[in-house]
Amino acid sequence: EDKVVQSPLSLVVHEGDTVTLNCSYEVTNFRSLLWYKQEKKAPTFLFMLTSSGIEKKSGRLSSILDKKELFSILNITATQTGDSAVYLCAVDLRDDKIIFGKGTRLHILP
Amino acid sequence: DTGVSQNPRHKITKRGQNVTFRCDPISEHNRLYWYRQTLGQGPEFLTYFQNEAQLEKSRLLSDRFSAERPKGSFSTLEIQRTEQGDSAMYLCASSLAWGVGSPLHFGNGTRLTVT
Repeated sequence: EDKVVQSPLSLVVHEGDTVTLNCSYEVTNFRSLLWYKQEKKAPTFLFMLTSSGIEKKSGRLSSILDKKELFSILNITATQTGDSAVYLCAVDLRDDKIIFGKGTRLHILP
Repeated sequence: DTGVSQNPRHKITKRGQNVTFRCDPISEHNRLYWYRQTLGQGPEFLTYFQNEAQLEKSRLLSDRFSAERPKGSFSTLEIQRTEQGDSAMYLCASSLAWGVGSPLHFGNGTRLTVT
């Protein structure tokens, strides 16, 4: 069965710290890996990764994919309280079915 | 682009009643997805559509759940004979499917409470 596993499930850090969120996957037909941020309601898109070793960056957030080891990491540097959210990892299967992990709940202390 | 719209925002119903939710995707998007999310969990895949065709329905879903997307535009999700375990946030998302895939755009969800 296809699955996406995220770790840690929750994380509490102080403002200014750097965090690394992990996502591993076991799927039969991989197309891409996606990261989303969920605050109150709708998840919002962060990154889509299709190729190994190519880092995607957006401000203080960056992400990279390793298709050989079947994992991705999401880094957030110089964290701010506004980064507090649930970060979701998802895998797009070749038939466009998209499955999610349980998420990492990140809380940034001021 | 007005985003993905879901109605109602909240629904409280008694066990055994039927409920129907509506999702209006972004107009040019051909893929539409339904997910269910409970507290502390990621979105759980329910079903998805390519235009009006339903491509897959989760094996975890009972026959009480049905979804339609007539004419490939809006979609409805119906739950018959609701149970307390159906209480959750129901999320709809849409995308424009093309070669390497595309990210989902989510609506704000319908929160269902079954009493």
